[in-house]
Amino acid sequence: AQTVTQSQPEMSVQEAETVTLSCTYDTSESDYYLFWYKQPPSRQMILVIRQEAYKQQNATENRFSVNFQKAAKSFSLKISDSQLGDAAMYFCAYRGPNFGNEKLTFGTGTRLTIIP
Amino acid sequence: EAGVAQSPRYKIIEKRQSVAFWCNPISGHATLYWYQQILGQGPKLLIQFQNNGVVDDSQLPKDRFSAERLKGVDSTLKIQPAKLEDSAVYLCASSSRGEGGEKLFFGSGTQLSVL
Repeated sequence: AQTVTQSQPEMSVQEAETVTLSCTYDTSESDYYLFWYKQPPSRQMILVIRQEAYKQQNATENRFSVNFQKAAKSFSLKISDSQLGDAAMYFCAYRGPNFGNEKLTFGTGTRLTIIP
Repeated sequence: EAGVAQSPRYKIIEKRQSVAFWCNPISGHATLYWYQQILGQGPKLLIQFQNNGVVDDSQLPKDRFSAERLKGVDSTLKIQPAKLEDSAVYLCASSSRGEGGEKLFFGSGTQLSVL
């Protein structure tokens, strides 16, 4: 079974600085998808960024980028120029290769605090 | 485009009572998921529907939880009888094939407190 591990229950960063959230996963599949979701107090899960395992290039979305290390099964999220609105729970998630089955396996989350 | 709608937003019940949650997915989305998110944990899949058929319910506690998706659109999740450990946020999500189908759209969830 696939597992996702987030070893940082809480992180904090000064506004405008850069922070990196860690995630490791375990799978026997060679093709899969990885995601970072943001969950603000409203509880709605918001997709931040996604990475296809077959792509070597790291995904980027504006201030958000990932460091995907397939051999090490590591998938970290870097947030640059942190803003107050970035404060939330961040979840790393794994999805298998089967098209049409978007079931996600989530980590336990990292609570990110932005210090003004 | 309207998002995934869920109700109620909050529910407080006593143990051994029954409770039901409702989800209306994004129009045209064939796949619907119910996730359980216990405080301090990531969401865990309870059940997945493809249209009105069950694809995966391996983690659904079937002795007390039930779910249905009428006509492949709205879905209800029921707990009967509730236990203290059922206190959690219940998230509904939907997705559609053929439009970057790996992207799920989540509702805002129902927060259940069992006293």
